[in-house]
Amino acid sequence: GENVEQHPSTLSVQEGDSAVIKCTYSDSASNYFPWYKQELGKRPQLIIDIRSNVGEKKDQRIAVTLNKTAKHFSLHITETQPEDSAVYFCAASKVDGGATNKLIFGTGTLLAVQP
Amino acid sequence: DTAVSQTPKYLVTQMGNDKSIKCEQNLGHDTMYWYKQDSKKFLKIMFSYNNKELIINETVPNRFSPKSPDKAHLNLHINSLELGDSAVYFCASRHRDFNTGELFFGEGSRLTVL
Repeated sequence: GENVEQHPSTLSVQEGDSAVIKCTYSDSASNYFPWYKQELGKRPQLIIDIRSNVGEKKDQRIAVTLNKTAKHFSLHITETQPEDSAVYFCAASKVDGGATNKLIFGTGTLLAVQP
Repeated sequence: DTAVSQTPKYLVTQMGNDKSIKCEQNLGHDTMYWYKQDSKKFLKIMFSYNNKELIINETVPNRFSPKSPDKAHLNLHINSLELGDSAVYFCASRHRDFNTGELFFGEGSRLTVL
């Protein structure tokens, strides 16, 4: 089955700096790679996702890149702000309309943005 | 207008007791999940239901029994609670569609077993 590894487990940056979180996945059939943000005591919420037919996607200060050959994908946050502080999860799934599709999450990265 | 709602939000109980967590979604989704988040924040899938039918059971102990009375509801019953069951349990749902892989999570139910 799918296995997702995520690094680093903790990341501390100064406000205004960039943050990069990296993930690798094992199942070459996976074609959907979302990133979730979980603030303290809250539910995980989708912030950006990318599909295997796209190499890069950007939404304001966040961007995700995907290298299908190497089975790597990364989250980039530029101009970090204190409100970006949270746990970030990458995930991978095969999404094909099948009922057995399931999202497998990485181990999470605790991002702390120091003012 | 909460999309995915869980009750209760907090649950404190003794070892050996039986407890239930309820989940309801009003998004019209046909697939629902239970995830467990332990103290290290790992999010691990437990079960998946599609239109009331169990689809995924990730080798969860028999003490955990999900039930889906209809596609908008997925409940989780836990028998003979153990200390290691302490965690936050998240219900989630999505539409079974290639273009909609997003999972919508409930607020979580924090279970503490003493």
